[in-house]
Amino acid sequence: DAGVIQSPRHEVTEMGQEVTLRCKLISGHNSLFWYRQTMMRGLELLIYFNNNVPIDDSGMPEDRFSAKMPNASFSTLKIQPSEPRDSAVYFCASSSASDRGLFEAFFGQGTRLTVV
Amino acid sequence: SQQGEEDPQALSIQEGENATMNCSYKTSINNLQWYRQNSGRGLVHLILIRSNEREKHSGRLRVTLDTSKKSSSLLITASRAADTASYFCATDARTGNQFYFGTGTSLTVIP
Repeated sequence: DAGVIQSPRHEVTEMGQEVTLRCKLISGHNSLFWYRQTMMRGLELLIYFNNNVPIDDSGMPEDRFSAKMPNASFSTLKIQPSEPRDSAVYFCASSSASDRGLFEAFFGQGTRLTVV
Repeated sequence: SQQGEEDPQALSIQEGENATMNCSYKTSINNLQWYRQNSGRGLVHLILIRSNEREKHSGRLRVTLDTSKKSSSLLITASRAADTASYFCATDARTGNQFYFGTGTSLTVIP
C-alpha cells in the first residue's frame, strides 16, 4: 500500500476561490481524520469520519468548510469561498477503530494551502 | 489545543544525551500515542500505550502513562542528530474515538 495520499501537495489560490483538497485512505482503514496545522494554533482536528459517516465535525471552523467521504477509500475537504486566514497545511490521516479504541494513525504528506 | 499540552515547547540537547518530553491531557482515554514530525512532513507514529499500561519501550524510546494525573512522558535515550523533529502526543478519547493532538515539543539534537 502506498500509504495515505493527499493531493495537491501545494495549492496557491486567490481569496474567494473554491479549494478542494483530496485524500486517499489506506485500504482497510475505517476512520478518516482531517487536520489543519498552523504555527499559531498547532494541529486542529477538523472532522472525523468512521465507516464513511461524519462522527464529529465540531472542529470545522465555518460553513465555508465542508468534507465528504463518497466511498470507503476517498475523502475531500472543500473550502468555498477561501480566505487568507485559511492558509495552513491540511493533513488527512486514516486509522482503524475497534472496540478497544483507535490503532495508529497514518498521515498523508499534507497539502500546503496559501490563499492570497 | 483541543486536548493536551506538551512541555517543554522546545528542547535543545547534545547528541548522546537523553531527551524527555511530557504530555498532559484532559479526558479519559483508550490509549495515548506519540508521533514525530520532521519539518514539512506528515506525522509518523512512534509508539502506542493503552490506558491499562504504565510503561512501554520501543528501541530507544520509553513511554510512561499516569492516568491518575492524566499525563505521559516520552524519553529518547542516547539521542542522535537525526532525532531532531517535533514530537506530539495524541489521545484517543474514550468517548467518540477522536485523535486529539497536543501542541508539540520541538527537539533539536546538536551533533
